[in-house]
Amino acid sequence: AQSVTQLDSQVPVFEEAPVELRCNYSSSVSVYLFWYVQYPNQGLQLLLKYLSGSTLVESINGFEAEFNKSQTSFHLRKPSVHISDTAEYFCAVRGTDKLIFGTGTRLQVFP
Amino acid sequence: EAEVAQSPRYKITEKSQAVAFWCDPISGHATLYWYRQILGQGPELLVQFQDESVVDDSQLPKDRFSAERLKGVDSTLKIQPAELGDSAMYLCASSLGQQPSYEQYFGPGTRLTVT
Repeated sequence: AQSVTQLDSQVPVFEEAPVELRCNYSSSVSVYLFWYVQYPNQGLQLLLKYLSGSTLVESINGFEAEFNKSQTSFHLRKPSVHISDTAEYFCAVRGTDKLIFGTGTRLQVFP
Repeated sequence: EAEVAQSPRYKITEKSQAVAFWCDPISGHATLYWYRQILGQGPELLVQFQDESVVDDSQLPKDRFSAERLKGVDSTLKIQPAELGDSAMYLCASSLGQQPSYEQYFGPGTRLTVT
């Protein structure tokens, strides 16, 4: 079985500052890793995913995440955040069966 | 761009009443998922369909919840009777297939409030 831990429930940050949202996972098998974003009263949107290959994956809106197998982590980073990045971010892991989500991190960007 | 459709977007119902949610996946997507998201938590899979067949319903409370996808296209999730603890966001998602590499596309969800 797999599990996901998002270490921070809330991350407040000022606009244009860098941010890191932490995610650790546990699994006895090889996994695929995902970050989803959820805006208020909306469904989830896939932000980026790690399936294989390069351990650094990037999204189209400036986010990146690095798969670290030795530390079982998949932290999400952005060098400069915008007000519009305010949302809930979910890390998820999938082994051989279903997608398991973390409890989410609320990113609040202040002007 | 094709999207997963869900209705209603919001539902308020009284305890012990029946409630139903509808989902229309992206055309051509064989796999359909229903998730429940309790406030402050991540989504949890309730049931997964491959075409019209149930693949995983291990977390579905079968004494009160039922789900069907009769023609392998749209799907209905029903709760009867509703309980206060059922208040949550119910999300539908679809993907081309079951492989983990296939992206799951989520609908906007139905927010259920049980009073």
